[in-house]
Amino acid sequence: QVQLVQSGAEVKKPGASVKVSCKASGYTFTAYYIHWVRQAPGQGLEWMGIIHPSGGSTSYAQKFQDRLIMTRDTSTSTVYMELSSLRSDDTALYFCARDTRFGGFDFWGQGTLVAVSS
Amino acid sequence: EIVMTQSPATLSVSPGERATLSCRASQSVSNYLAWYQQKPGQAPRLLIYGASTRATGIPARFSGSGSGTEFTLTISGLQSEDSAVYYCQQYNVWLTWTFGQGTKVEI
Repeated sequence: QVQLVQSGAEVKKPGASVKVSCKASGYTFTAYYIHWVRQAPGQGLEWMGIIHPSGGSTSYAQKFQDRLIMTRDTSTSTVYMELSSLRSDDTALYFCARDTRFGGFDFWGQGTLVAVSS
Repeated sequence: EIVMTQSPATLSVSPGERATLSCRASQSVSNYLAWYQQKPGQAPRLLIYGASTRATGIPARFSGSGSGTEFTLTISGLQSEDSAVYYCQQYNVWLTWTFGQGTKVEI
């Protein structure tokens, strides 16, 4: 069965960077785009960016362009999301999600809580 | 940037009734529109894609309609398990994906 398993919770200080992993299983890793979405406490969903695991191409939401990097490791079927220059308002639950190829995100990771606090 | 606006913010309905949720795009997204259900402590669940196609395993009481800038999610015969926040999302227009702010459905 399709699974996306994310790394554990992180606590970071303002100005630091965080790298969250998302390990895929149960399907052909290189055949589906992966997105990252975050959700601040009590707030809605915010799309951050997309990566194509096959060639590694990426596209980021404009607000994250200068501090977000998405990468992948095809040997372990894992994608990574690294966000730098963290601020308190980056405190959120970060999800990876698989693009269905015909619309929407059909499988999601369990979420990784990133807390930014001095 | 395409802005997705959902209404109402909160909808209170009784079991067995019908709920109608609206989503408006700031510019046309054709039928590139998905709906999700999110319950507390869970990841979102894909309900509808292509504005009107139910995702795998989604009950027939969930239906979507609309195109261009106006979209609707209808939940018929509401059940207690349908209490959740529902989000619309436009996808792949100018290689960006945008969510609405959500509608909370209370049963």
